[in-house]
Amino acid sequence: GDSVTQMEGPVTLSEEAFLTINCTYTATGYPSLFWYVQYPGEGLQLLLKATKADDKGSNKGFEATYRKETTSFHLEKGSVQVSDSAVYFCALSGDTGNQFYFGTGTSLTVIP
Amino acid sequence: ETGVTQSPTHLIKTRGQQVTLRCSSQSGHNTVSWYQQALGQGPQFIFQYYREEENGRGNFPPRFSGLQFPNYSSELNVNALELDDSALYLCASSLQGTWETQYFGPGTRLLVL
Repeated sequence: GDSVTQMEGPVTLSEEAFLTINCTYTATGYPSLFWYVQYPGEGLQLLLKATKADDKGSNKGFEATYRKETTSFHLEKGSVQVSDSAVYFCALSGDTGNQFYFGTGTSLTVIP
Repeated sequence: ETGVTQSPTHLIKTRGQQVTLRCSSQSGHNTVSWYQQALGQGPQFIFQYYREEENGRGNFPPRFSGLQFPNYSSELNVNALELDDSALYLCASSLQGTWETQYFGPGTRLLVL
């Protein structure tokens, strides 16, 4: 069945460091891919998405490219800030749109 | 525009009991999905409702059931509670056709003793 495998954490970085959180997926058909973020004490929020191969999703300085050849959707940011400290979830939606699969989440802490 | 709300925020039940959790969708959204998030894990998809009918289901037993009402609010019912049902239950609303963008509620924390 469809699934998402996400880099395990926790990840601790210094402010202005480069961030990569790896995500790979297994899916039939043509899934859409997402990154969600959960800030401390808040609900899940959509960070970015890509709905077809080679699409790049971007938001708040974060980027991820839908790579069908490597079945990956890695999250990157060039310079992290303390305010980026949160748990990040990779997710996919099957091509029928009524099934969602989340990874286990990666906790990121950015220290000044 | 009101966001997704859930009630109650916290709940304690004992094994074997039944529980009902409630969700009010974001204004204008006609699709509701429910998720179970165990501590330290990602959300697991339970089911989705659209136009008052179940529109997709994850790998959860039949004792997990739901309803969607004409105003698009929704309930999640869990019968014969087990200890492993202890988790954060999230609902998310979206518009059918723009289902990629879900808006999540804050969740209901359920503890089964």
